[in-house]
Amino acid sequence: GQNIDQPTEMTATEGAIVQINCTYQTSGFNGLFWYQQHAGEAPTFLSYNVLDGLEEKGRFSSFLSRSKGYSYLLLKELQMKDSASYLCAVEHTGKLIFGQGTTLQVKP
Amino acid sequence: GAGVSQSPSNKVTEKGKDVELRCDPISGHTALYWYRQSLGQGLEFLIYFQGNSAPDKSGLPSDRFSAERTGGSVSTLTIQRTQQEDSAVYLCASTEQGGKGYTFGSGTRLTVV
Repeated sequence: GQNIDQPTEMTATEGAIVQINCTYQTSGFNGLFWYQQHAGEAPTFLSYNVLDGLEEKGRFSSFLSRSKGYSYLLLKELQMKDSASYLCAVEHTGKLIFGQGTTLQVKP
Repeated sequence: GAGVSQSPSNKVTEKGKDVELRCDPISGHTALYWYRQSLGQGLEFLIYFQGNSAPDKSGLPSDRFSAERTGGSVSTLTIQRTQQEDSAVYLCASTEQGGKGYTFGSGTRLTVV
């Protein structure tokens, strides 16, 4: 079976740093994705990890540990526009399996 | 086209009616995916087309759901005898062969009344 867990909701303050965790138990693994989804909009690609370690892209970084079945998305210098849902997804047999998503609320 | 195009953007239908949802992927993308997103939930995989291979239908929730992809491009998701629990946003995505950048369309919001 496939199981991908993320916290349902998180709140953080503008300018701060927030870490969104994702744990997974899947029968196969070809990479882990993070997507951002604003309310009423399509998900947009943020990051992709297939090897262990940290991938940095501007204010966003993503970490993967395959042995632990664990990833996190790190958002620095939070802005109000970062309020959105963040979706963790594992690629397996050619398709993405998504977690339930984490709704992040950034407060002034 | 420049992006993944889905139509209609909104669809209200009566319970028991059939509906067709359309997806026009990015030109040249060989893989096409359909997902469903219920209110406040994550994305649920429905079906996946890759080139000329047989589609992966493992996510279709019942035999009322079917999809086809004509000419390796446009795809249609058909839901027969719609039920209220079918109400959701149906998202389509495409990617090039071997690519990792799944591009999503804006979705079709289906409401069954």
